Amino acid sequence: EDQVTQSPEALRLQEGESSSLNCSYTVSGLRGLFWYRQDPGKGPEFLFTLYSAGEEKEKERLKATLTKKESFLHITAPKPEDSATYLCAVRDPYNQGGKLIFGQGTELSVKP
Amino acid sequence: GAVVSQHPSRVICKSGTSVKIECRSLDFQATTMFWYRQFPKKSLMLMATSNEGSKATYEQGVEKDKFLINHASLTLSTLTVTSAHPEDSSFYICSARRIREGGEQYFGPGTRLTVT
Repeated sequence: EDQVTQSPEALRLQEGESSSLNCSYTVSGLRGLFWYRQDPGKGPEFLFTLYSAGEEKEKERLKATLTKKESFLHITAPKPEDSATYLCAVRDPYNQGGKLIFGQGTELSVKP
Repeated sequence: GAVVSQHPSRVICKSGTSVKIECRSLDFQATTMFWYRQFPKKSLMLMATSNEGSKATYEQGVEKDKFLINHASLTLSTLTVTSAHPEDSSFYICSARRIREGGEQYFGPGTRLTVT
C-alpha cells in the first residue's frame, strides 16, 4: 500500500538550533514528493517539489533532500517565525488526476 | 506566483440550510481542482477531484449528494454543502493544479464552516 509517514509528530527547538524533519514513503514509482508549510487556520503553502533521488532544493533556512525511500527537510538556525506544521506528500501513482497522498505532518515549534 | 482564493473565509449557517464555497485560481488556469476537509490537529482529507466541464470524482465515503461540486471554468470551482448539519462543521480547503505543470497543488486559504 502506498503511504507517507512523517516523524517526529512534534518537534520543539530553541531559536538557532538546527534539526531535520523526516518523510518516509512507499510508492510504486515516485512521480514527485512535495513539502508544504501550514500555519494554524490557513491553507498549506507550497515549499518544494523533488522528483529524483539525490535532488536538493533550498529556500532561506530550509533545505529539502530526497533518497529512494525518504526525504528530509533540514532547518538551519530556525527562527520563531518558522513555527508551523510541515506536510509531506507524494503523488498517487495510480491516479491520473494528480491526487496527493499526505503524511500526518510534523508540528514544529521554535522558541526564542 | 500561483494564488488561489476562497470565499467566504468564514461562514456560520443554521442546520438544514445550504452553503456554497468558491475556489478561484487568480493568476493561472487550473487543469484540476481538489477539495479537502481538515479536522483539528489532523492532516488533509481529500473529498473530491474536479476537472473543468466534467463530473467530480469523489473519494470513498464522501456523499456526492451532500457535497455538490461544480467546476464551471479553468479558474473556478464551487463546493456546495447541502442540508448542512453540525457534523459538517469543519475547515474546507481547495487546491488547484496548473495546466502543463508538475504535480504541485496550490492551496487556498480555507473556509471555516460552522453549522449551528
